Amino acid sequence: DGGITQSPKYLFRKEGQNVTLSCEQNLNHDAMYWYRQDPGQGLRLIYYSQIVNDFQKGDIAEGYSVSREKKESFPLTVTSAQKNPTAFYLCASRTLGQGVRNEQFFGPGTRLTVL
Amino acid sequence: GIQVEQSPPDLILQEGANSTLRCNFSDSVNNLQWFHQNPWGQLINLFYIPSGTKQNGRLSATTVATERYSLLYISSSQTTDSGVYFCAVVGGNKLVFGAGTILRVKS
Repeated sequence: DGGITQSPKYLFRKEGQNVTLSCEQNLNHDAMYWYRQDPGQGLRLIYYSQIVNDFQKGDIAEGYSVSREKKESFPLTVTSAQKNPTAFYLCASRTLGQGVRNEQFFGPGTRLTVL
Repeated sequence: GIQVEQSPPDLILQEGANSTLRCNFSDSVNNLQWFHQNPWGQLINLFYIPSGTKQNGRLSATTVATERYSLLYISSSQTTDSGVYFCAVVGGNKLVFGAGTILRVKS
């Protein structure tokens, strides 16, 4: 069954703690993305990666870190430096290249709440 | 960078009514997608439509790339159509999203 999985679905964190959100895809997609969504708002790009061992900052990267050690995996760490981390986090992936269908797909999301 | 504007921001329909959502973009694109975000937050792919017209059941979409807009048509709306509809285009190496249209369908 192909797709994008995110875990956990819900995550509760105490202030001052780092947490890591998992994102895995078995679609053989080149690029992976992390977005943040606040209630009633649109999607904001945190980080993205187009190839293994390389990634770029998005619009709101401060307080977050990522790694891309495998093509299938793109974990996001929310650090204690992120001032307001309570939000809905969405992972996405798509293939790249000219002349191919570059359709982007999303995982089911992780809801992070800071207590 | 490329700008994406969606209209209307909010729409309330009676069940069975039809609607048209619009997406304007500021530059030429080779990838445009429409998504539906359901009440549980899941983003569902509706259409991958860089140009032309596509239909899927009660939904259809048209992109006129030369005039830089796309339209999403919803016919005979149902309460399950409620949620947020996003348009997104490729800008640089990533998708640029519009702010979305919030659709509420009343029974």
